[in-house]
Amino acid sequence: ETGVTQSPTHLIKTRGQQVTLRCSSQSGHNTVSWYQQALGQGPQFIFQYYREEENGRGNFPPRFSGLQFPNYSSELNVNALELDDSALYLCASSLATGVIDGELFFGEGSRLTVL
Amino acid sequence: KQEVTQIPAALSVPEGENLVLNCSFTDSAIYNLQWFRQDHGKGLTSLLLIQSSQREQTSGRLNASLDKSSGRSTLYIAASQPGDSATYLCAVGLRQSKFYFGSGTKLNVKP
Repeated sequence: ETGVTQSPTHLIKTRGQQVTLRCSSQSGHNTVSWYQQALGQGPQFIFQYYREEENGRGNFPPRFSGLQFPNYSSELNVNALELDDSALYLCASSLATGVIDGELFFGEGSRLTVL
Repeated sequence: KQEVTQIPAALSVPEGENLVLNCSFTDSAIYNLQWFRQDHGKGLTSLLLIQSSQREQTSGRLNASLDKSSGRSTLYIAASQPGDSATYLCAVGLRQSKFYFGSGTKLNVKP
């Protein structure tokens, strides 16, 4: 059983640029969530995808967008990067059955630095 | 809006001590609660998941309890070891695996 993998692990961008982060879900999982973790803080929920549809969004502006593909992998896109977007971006996958809500399994994260 | 608070923010103990980490949340209408461990600069490792209908879960030296009515959870670590040094995060789950996190307790276990 493969775990959650994310790429790239580190990247540096400049203000105003765009970035795409990628995530492969754990085998058998149908739900992927993205979180932003600033230094010294807990992760903040960005949004979640279930069966390729956005299924809930946190308090993040529209320049944060995402996709989920038929194989349940996912992308997080951030446009018009700002300095405050510098953070660790975490992807988590889970299995939602509609009966019991699933345990979250996280990848190692993508550390984004915006200069 | 769900607010999750973890106390203490940091804790330093000698090896071998038993310790308790605390988590409180403002809205008791949760589906589950999950405890995670995070090593510096790394991703999160799931430790224990408690469904809203459960009172506690145990895994090895770890025991987590949940009291929904009072909005509290505790993580008990028995016989702490230096390898337990990490940040421990509590996350309360709303429907369909949307979680709200606390800011964590940074644990240092001294040899």
